[in-house]
This record gives sequence, C-alpha cells and structure tokens, in this order.
Amino acid sequence: GQQLNQSPQSMFIQEGEDVSMNCTSSSIFNTWLWYKQDPGEGPVLLIALYKAGELTSNGRLTAQFGITRKDSFLNISASIPSDVGIYFCAGPIQGAQKLVFGQGTRLTINP
Amino acid sequence: DAGITQSPRHKVTETGTPVTLRCHQTENHRYMYWYRQDPGHGLRLIHYSYGVKDTDKGEVSDGYSVSRSKTEDFLLTLESATSSQTSVYFCATLPGGAYGYTFGSGTRLTVV
Repeated sequence: GQQLNQSPQSMFIQEGEDVSMNCTSSSIFNTWLWYKQDPGEGPVLLIALYKAGELTSNGRLTAQFGITRKDSFLNISASIPSDVGIYFCAGPIQGAQKLVFGQGTRLTINP
Repeated sequence: DAGITQSPRHKVTETGTPVTLRCHQTENHRYMYWYRQDPGHGLRLIHYSYGVKDTDKGEVSDGYSVSRSKTEDFLLTLESATSSQTSVYFCATLPGGAYGYTFGSGTRLTVV
C-alpha cells in the first residue's frame, strides 16, 4: 500500500533556529497535507498543497509540493517554544476519501 | 476541537475484556475515521465510515469493529482487548469533497 516516510524522526534545536523536514513516498500523490500535534491533543491541519511545485506559506511555516509528486517539504522559520510538537505529513489514498500519514517528526526546542 | 468529542479520554482495562470507545460530532460531517497512534508508526487507519451504516476496514482492522447508527456517532469496539492494543486512539471527521480532517483530542487506552 501507499506509505509515507518522514525525516528526520526527531529534531532538537535552539529557539530561533530554522527547521526543515520532509516526506517522501514511492507513490505519486495529488495532494499533500501537513498537520501538527500538540502534546495531549489531536493533530491540526497546518497547510494543504494541491499542485506539483506549489509553495504555500502559513505565517512562519512554508510547505512545498515536490515536482515529482513523490515528496513534500515543510520549513519553519525562527522557531519559538510553541512550535514544539509532532509534525505529520499526509496524503489521500487513491480513489478513497481517506488519508495515509507519515511516522511524524518530533520537534523539541531548547530555550 | 469542540465539534468532536471522544469518550472516555483515558481508560485502563484488562486483557480479554471488550471495550467501546465513542466519537461524537456536531459538524454533520459525512465521513468519520478511527486511527491509532503508536511511536514509530504515526497514525494508522483502523476503520472508517462514509455514511450511516456504511463502514469499511483500514490497514489495522484486526481485533476491532465499528458501528455508525446515526451521523453524529461512530463507535469503535475492541472485541477482546490485548496488550498490543494499548495505544492512543483518535477519531476524525471530514466533510465530503475535502481532505482536511478534523481530529478529536484522543482516547488513551491501556490494556493490562
């Protein structure tokens, strides 16, 4: 089945640093989604990408839909303590209204 | 999210007992989903529903059953709980035609 691989699995950074993470698949996706999960809560949608090559921003977050349709990237600029959490990429399974998720990237920020 | 309520939020149960988790939504969304979250595995789909009494299996459905007798409620039942089903369970909903799920706050289940 379709699988998504996220890297890195975890990141430990200093406040103020920029963050980059990515998500890859062996299958083509027509939509890429990025979610963030705060501790003790459910994931929340951050950014949705619908077109190959698309670059979309949401405040300090920027996500890109890879040209090959097999990858996506998420960047966070000037990290702050509230950026702590787990970031998931997700994509729709072909022909179905359901999503497959990556394993997640856990972000920890040292003040 | 205030539109999705999961109950209970925490549960400890013994191996071999049946357990039912409830997801209640006030959004009138057509699609509902149950995922489990485990370290190293991310979120994996257990079962989903595309309407009242219409359900289908996900990738990790063994040992689980679901029911949806009305739009707002989606129940997940562990027929005979095992320690491998210790996990955090999330319910999600989706309005038809879009991909952005709304998630509940999760149920942490421990099977001892």
